[in-house]
Amino acid sequence: KNQVEQSPQSLIILEGKNCTLQCNYTVSPFSNLRWYKQDTGRGPVSLTIMTFSENTKSNGRYTATLDADTKQSSLHITASQLSDSASYICVVSGEGGSQGNLIFGKGTKLSVKP
Amino acid sequence: DAGVIQSPRHEVTEMGQEVTLRCKPISGHDYLFWYRQTMMRGLELLIYFNNNVPIDDSGMPEDRFSAKMPNASFSTLKIQPSEPRDSAVYFCASSFRGGATDTQYFGPGTRLTVL
Repeated sequence: KNQVEQSPQSLIILEGKNCTLQCNYTVSPFSNLRWYKQDTGRGPVSLTIMTFSENTKSNGRYTATLDADTKQSSLHITASQLSDSASYICVVSGEGGSQGNLIFGKGTKLSVKP
Repeated sequence: DAGVIQSPRHEVTEMGQEVTLRCKPISGHDYLFWYRQTMMRGLELLIYFNNNVPIDDSGMPEDRFSAKMPNASFSTLKIQPSEPRDSAVYFCASSFRGGATDTQYFGPGTRLTVL
């Protein structure tokens, strides 16, 4: 069964610290992997999209990595800010890469404290 | 562009009533998606359209749910009759194309509470 598992479920860090969120998937065949940021009360916003041939992609202080062999991805946040407090959702696209075939993780809730 | 627009932002209704959620996608986007988000199940795709035509509605939970897209700038998701288990946040999203690396842009969502 195609699944996307994220860990941890929640995380609390101090402002200025770094953190890494994990995403493991069993989707096969695999097309691409996305990370979304969802602020409380708002819709998800895309951070990165990686195809199977990409190992890393950055978006400002956010860096996503992908290991298609082990079916693992991580999202690293550098020098965290209070505005990074949000849920981060890992989304994997299966066969054909169709956007109608996206498998969503349940997200990691990050809280950044002053 | 104002982004994806959804209305209403909040809806409280009683079991058995009809509920209609509305969405205006970003102008020029060919694809429109309806999602439901709950704490237990996360985000789930309900249905999506390409050029106003429904492509896949396999995520629609029951016949009580229906969606339409009469033109490129408007879509509705209707629940009739509503039940308490339909309580969730419903998101509409659109993308320029449906390609593998195209970005989906989400609206702010409609929080539905069925009493």
